[in-house]
Amino acid sequence: EAGVVQSPRYKIIEKKQPVAFWCNPISGHNTLYWYRQNLGQGPELLIRYENEEAVDDSQLPKDRFSAERLKGVDSTLKIQPAELGDSAVYLCASSLVVWGSGGDEQFFGPGTRLTVL
Amino acid sequence: RKEVEQDPGPFNVPEGATVAFNCTYSNSASQSFFWYRQDCRKEPKLLMSVYSSGNEDGRFTAQLNRASQYISLLIRDSKLSDSATYLCVVKSFVGSNTGKLIFGQGTTLQVKP
Repeated sequence: EAGVVQSPRYKIIEKKQPVAFWCNPISGHNTLYWYRQNLGQGPELLIRYENEEAVDDSQLPKDRFSAERLKGVDSTLKIQPAELGDSAVYLCASSLVVWGSGGDEQFFGPGTRLTVL
Repeated sequence: RKEVEQDPGPFNVPEGATVAFNCTYSNSASQSFFWYRQDCRKEPKLLMSVYSSGNEDGRFTAQLNRASQYISLLIRDSKLSDSATYLCVVKSFVGSNTGKLIFGQGTTLQVKP
């Protein structure tokens, strides 16, 4: 079974440039997450989708970050314009949430390593 | 104060050693707990869930103390392949963090031959 797919794996851009990341979750998973992981830190949630609805975007810097999950399948995360502090690994994860079950393992993609110069 | 706190280490241990990692969390409403493993430059992967009664999976034992808001992971008979970063993860089902995973910064383990 294919896991979570992300592209690109690496991206180097100059500050003030736009950048976009793409994620295809595991087939059948209804919930998709975007995380940012800085060096030496754990992942921090940016946005969570249940199907096509963003249900938690409280940590997404909305002045420069945007995300979409059209048709409730794959998703894109965009930064415009990028800043030096945006250098990090951007991880996408997906899970199958069955309400009332209490458990929903999140499966992570390999991430996109962004370097802003 | 961070919601989930771990000693970042690194923990350097010889093969065969027993090593324990600790983690504390601040949100008393947290209801699910996990340990994830992350290899260098790889994505996190679920190692094991943590149950109130404690649970064991081979050489790995996880324990939860709700009163002290404390989680632990014990690794017995360490192998070279155990070298990784171990992330303590807490999930809440109430309030603003409903259904959200909160990761600790991770504890790095290096097992030496």
